[in-house]
Amino acid sequence: EVQLVESGGVLVQPGGSLRLSCAASGFTFSTYGMHWVRQAPGKGLEYVSGINNNGGYTYYANSVRGRFTISRDNSENTLFLQMGSLRPEDTAVYFCARSPWAGHPPDVWGKGTTVTVSS
Amino acid sequence: QSALTQPRSVSGSPGQSVTISCTGTSSDVGGYNYVSWYQGHPGKAPKLMIFDVTRRPSGVPDRFSGSKSGNTASLTISGLQAEDEADYYCCSYAGSYTFVVFGGGTKLTVL
Repeated sequence: EVQLVESGGVLVQPGGSLRLSCAASGFTFSTYGMHWVRQAPGKGLEYVSGINNNGGYTYYANSVRGRFTISRDNSENTLFLQMGSLRPEDTAVYFCARSPWAGHPPDVWGKGTTVTVSS
Repeated sequence: QSALTQPRSVSGSPGQSVTISCTGTSSDVGGYNYVSWYQGHPGKAPKLMIFDVTRRPSGVPDRFSGSKSGNTASLTISGLQAEDEADYYCCSYAGSYTFVVFGGGTKLTVL
């Protein structure tokens, strides 16, 4: 069964840092593009970041560029999102999602992990 | 502001059909046949309903269909059922440097 399981979401103070993880199973992780998409309370989906299958290409939304870093460990079938200089507006459920290739819309999503940025 | 434009809300009665539009540009929706639609509930994993403009994943009822004309993609739900009430999002390939773009979402209310 194809599965994506996010972890790492917690309550963090403004200006803090956090690393999210997404453990993949049931498919050949190294052949898929991966993404992070978030949903703030009461809001729609917002694309955060993407990475191609070998980590050579990445993309960041303007709202997180320079503060967040996406990476992957294909030997461990895991996707990461290193988040820094966190702001209250980063509060959201963060979903990990896979794509047949980096630019293709996602086909499988995880259940998400909640990040709350508040003092 | 989202890259793709969707109506904020649509509604229909059980048994009726509704269509949700998703308007982009020639750099995304109009330029490629890689548009997907998702059904979402707040805080829950989005569910893929349509991919590659018109294709349905296994398990998705054939009441759901997709199409595209120019820079606008559409999701049509026929024979509306109460369980279809949800938020719907479109997503398109937007080139090798941008990867993908999402619509702002449409709330479907079944009256």
